[in-house]
Amino acid sequence: KQEVTQIPAALSVPEGENLVLNCSFTDSAIYNLQWFRQDPGKGLTSLLLIQSSQREQTSGRLNASLDKSSGRSTLYIAASQPGDSATYLCAADSGGGADGLTFGKGTHLIIQP
Amino acid sequence: GAGVSQSPSNKVTEKGKDVELRCDPISGHTALYWYRQSLGQGLEFLIYFQGNSAPDKSGLPSDRFSAERTGGSVSTLTIQRTQQEDSAVYFCASSFGGDTQYFGPGTRLTVL
Repeated sequence: KQEVTQIPAALSVPEGENLVLNCSFTDSAIYNLQWFRQDPGKGLTSLLLIQSSQREQTSGRLNASLDKSSGRSTLYIAASQPGDSATYLCAADSGGGADGLTFGKGTHLIIQP
Repeated sequence: GAGVSQSPSNKVTEKGKDVELRCDPISGHTALYWYRQSLGQGLEFLIYFQGNSAPDKSGLPSDRFSAERTGGSVSTLTIQRTQQEDSAVYFCASSFGGDTQYFGPGTRLTVL
C-alpha cells in the first residue's frame, strides 16, 4: 500500500527566500506525482504533475523534481511571496487513476511579509 | 472554461438522515473521483469512475456509502443513515484519462 510523507509539516520563512518542500513515497511504481496547494477552506489547486518518466517540471517560480528510485519528490519555490502562503500537498498516482491519488498530510507554509 | 462544480457547498444534517452530494465534472473529462478530508486528516480516496464503466467500490468506508455516475458525466455520492464520523469535506475531481486531476470546491458535511 502506497504511503506518502511530507516534511516539514509546517514552515515559516521571510518573504523573498527560496525554499524546498519534501515528499517521500514508499512504492516507487507510480504513474505520476502531483503537487497541489490548498488555501484555508478551499479546494485543491493543481500546481505541477510529473509523469513517472520525467525528472522535473517547472511552472513559473515553481520547480518539482522526481526521483522514483529513492521515492522522493521536492517542490522548489523561488523568491517566495506572501501569496504563496498555503498548505502544499503531494500526491502519488499508483494505479493510473484507478486507485485514486494517495496524499501526504501536507506542508503548511507561511511567508512572512 | 468551467471547472468542477459541487453542490451543495455546505450540508448540515441530523444523525441517521440520508444525504446526496453532487458533482459536475469538467466537460469532456472521462475520469471522476471522490475523496474526503476529515478534520486534521489527509485526503482519503473513496471511488473512481472511468467513463460508463462500473466503479470499484472497495474504497468506500462502509456499505452506507454509494455512488453513481449518470451518462458518463454527473456523479452523486449518497450516504445513508449518516453518522457523526461522516462529517468531513467531500471533494470531487475529474481528469482526462490518468492526467492531472482537477478538484472541485468541496461539500462540507456536518452531521449533528
